[in-house]
Amino acid sequence: DGGITQSPKYLFRKEGQNVTLSCEQNLNHDAMYWYRQDPGQGLRLIYYSQIVNDFQKGDIAEGYSVSREKKESFPLTVTSAQKNPTAFYLCASRPDGIYGYTFGSGTRLTVV
Amino acid sequence: RKEVEQDPGPFNVPEGATVAFNCTYSNSASQSFFWYRQDCRKEPKLLMSVYSSGNEDGRFTAQLNRASQYISLLIRDSKLSDSATYLCVVNAMEYGNKLVFGAGTILRVKS
Repeated sequence: DGGITQSPKYLFRKEGQNVTLSCEQNLNHDAMYWYRQDPGQGLRLIYYSQIVNDFQKGDIAEGYSVSREKKESFPLTVTSAQKNPTAFYLCASRPDGIYGYTFGSGTRLTVV
Repeated sequence: RKEVEQDPGPFNVPEGATVAFNCTYSNSASQSFFWYRQDCRKEPKLLMSVYSSGNEDGRFTAQLNRASQYISLLIRDSKLSDSATYLCVVNAMEYGNKLVFGAGTILRVKS
């Protein structure tokens, strides 16, 4: 079945570490997105990519980086510059046109 | 002003009740609208798209009022399993046609 796979489900990061969250989709969608959700708050856009080898900053890109070397993959790196990384991270994709997103099951990142 | 605003609730209703959620959006150029459902500690899932003429899917009815920039979701005959957070979502033509999410409305259906 087609879908989006995020891994790991839970991730613990030490102070000063960079960590990478994986997002893979087999839906043949061009556009992919990374959102962050904090408790009791809405989703905030970190980065998005509409095509391979191209990506754009969202509303809260500072302290994060991404790559889009393959259509299927859009990994997110949380760098040590991100001062408050503890959150629920959601990856999404959508086909061309005006459609809703399909989400992965998310990664919960905790700083220890 | 937030791009998408929702009453956070929570809405506490008994089983069988009818409940309505409202949402307003600020960008008059928005072209597509959705309601998503998010269960606790899970990813959002598309509940329904919202069309100009209004649309219905079983117990759920969505309405769009472009003049007032207002979207609604009506749930009839509430079930315990409807308990979740309901997210109002609007597209933004700038920034790569991204979707903008409201903070969500919490619904708790009690027996």
